Amino acid sequence: QKEVEQNSGPLSVPEGAIASLNCTYSDRGSQSFFWYRQYSGKSPELIMFIYSNGDKEDGRFTAQLNKASQYVSLLIRDSQPSDSATYLCAVFTGGGNKLTFGTGTQLKVEL
Amino acid sequence: GAVVSQHPSWVICKSGTSVKIECRSLDFQATTMFWYRQFPKQSLMLMATSNEGSKATYEQGVEKDKFLINHASLTLSTLTVTSAHPEDSSFYICSARETRRSGVNEQFFGPGTRLTVL
Repeated sequence: QKEVEQNSGPLSVPEGAIASLNCTYSDRGSQSFFWYRQYSGKSPELIMFIYSNGDKEDGRFTAQLNKASQYVSLLIRDSQPSDSATYLCAVFTGGGNKLTFGTGTQLKVEL
Repeated sequence: GAVVSQHPSWVICKSGTSVKIECRSLDFQATTMFWYRQFPKQSLMLMATSNEGSKATYEQGVEKDKFLINHASLTLSTLTVTSAHPEDSSFYICSARETRRSGVNEQFFGPGTRLTVL
């Protein structure tokens, strides 16, 4: 089992819709969880992090964490074409020393 | 967020030459920096963890004699690809860790260096 798993997609949503991106992780001791956005040919850009169970909102983005289910998700409201990118879920593993990335989910927001 | 710079942003070199890539944290001190490599359509793969003032920790399968890492100060880490070959052509990205007052570690990425070895 991979340490961090994501559906590679592509996930296609119409403009204005809610995009839901999911991620599961295997290390039950993980404490911090991150969502990065990566445009083609560019390096990852941090969107937000979460470390408490529940929801965390920042603008159009909401991160949701469920440690019991080892599941973290990212919701993007009012999706825009500029949101089209690969979204990487990352988790601190190995006692919090190493940031492990999922393979990313490609999101396409269509007009 | 914190700013991390990388230089150069792209480099083309002949097979057998060495290439040095610099990574700087511009507005914070980073005791730990990370070097990643990303091949097309693949996720980031951690190559090594660089700690200021000590030897880097390499991931399994990464040759330490080929990928030399130096973390001489709290704001600078360098990666030298020695005797580069075409299979080393990739997108190299550094990342610097900032520890917030809350205790949460955040990692910020540099813009990446695209290496092409002819």
